[in-house]
Amino acid sequence: GAGVSQSPSNKVTEKGKDVELRCDPISGHTALYWYRQSLGQGLEFLIYFQGNSAPDKSGLPSDRFSAERTGGSVSTLTIQRTQQEDSAVYLCASSSRDRGRIPETQYFGPGTRLLVL
Amino acid sequence: AQSVSQHNHHVILSEAASLELGCNYSYGGTVNLFWYVQYPGQHLQLLLKYFSGDPLVKGIKGFEAEFIKSKFSFNLRKPSVQWSDTAEYFCAVKEGGSQGNLIFGKGTKLSVKP
Repeated sequence: GAGVSQSPSNKVTEKGKDVELRCDPISGHTALYWYRQSLGQGLEFLIYFQGNSAPDKSGLPSDRFSAERTGGSVSTLTIQRTQQEDSAVYLCASSSRDRGRIPETQYFGPGTRLLVL
Repeated sequence: AQSVSQHNHHVILSEAASLELGCNYSYGGTVNLFWYVQYPGQHLQLLLKYFSGDPLVKGIKGFEAEFIKSKFSFNLRKPSVQWSDTAEYFCAVKEGGSQGNLIFGKGTKLSVKP
């Protein structure tokens, strides 16, 4: 596609429910990143995929958070038993592998605004 | 651990004023540096980036940034701002040559009065 797309654009859920957020990266981009943007915290890294594997999960805030990527394309971020502090905008970015010569740039999607009541 | 500091939380300027937004990072190795902009209601867009070479980088919409290695800084500048520059600006750093994640500053909100 022309850019990174994310769905849903907005999600309101009740505390304790599970949510799934979807990211569709730019076609051909092998690297995919999830970030979280919340008031007062700025942009925080959550997890990074290279292909279908996740070499860096260091930013996931708790074991309630998980993510997967299948077919080297679409990724889903799942938050189980949501809490009010999970309310934030969840951003996805993608980039292409650079073959060690030209460092890649990350392109961001519009985000999913999650509100946990 | 790497960190990025943006010194100004909110900057208010009148149109035609000059702009400089500060960004400092902490990382001793090779870095890739970025400025992203988020206009109201829109998603993050790349404004400019530095990978290597000329430390003065020119981006879109008349913005430029200068990488000063000795000061660990990558300040964003524009000689004359417009009302349409009202947005939030984020500085970000990544370990050079890696495909790892970006470390972002907390952002600077710029309000330009017409």
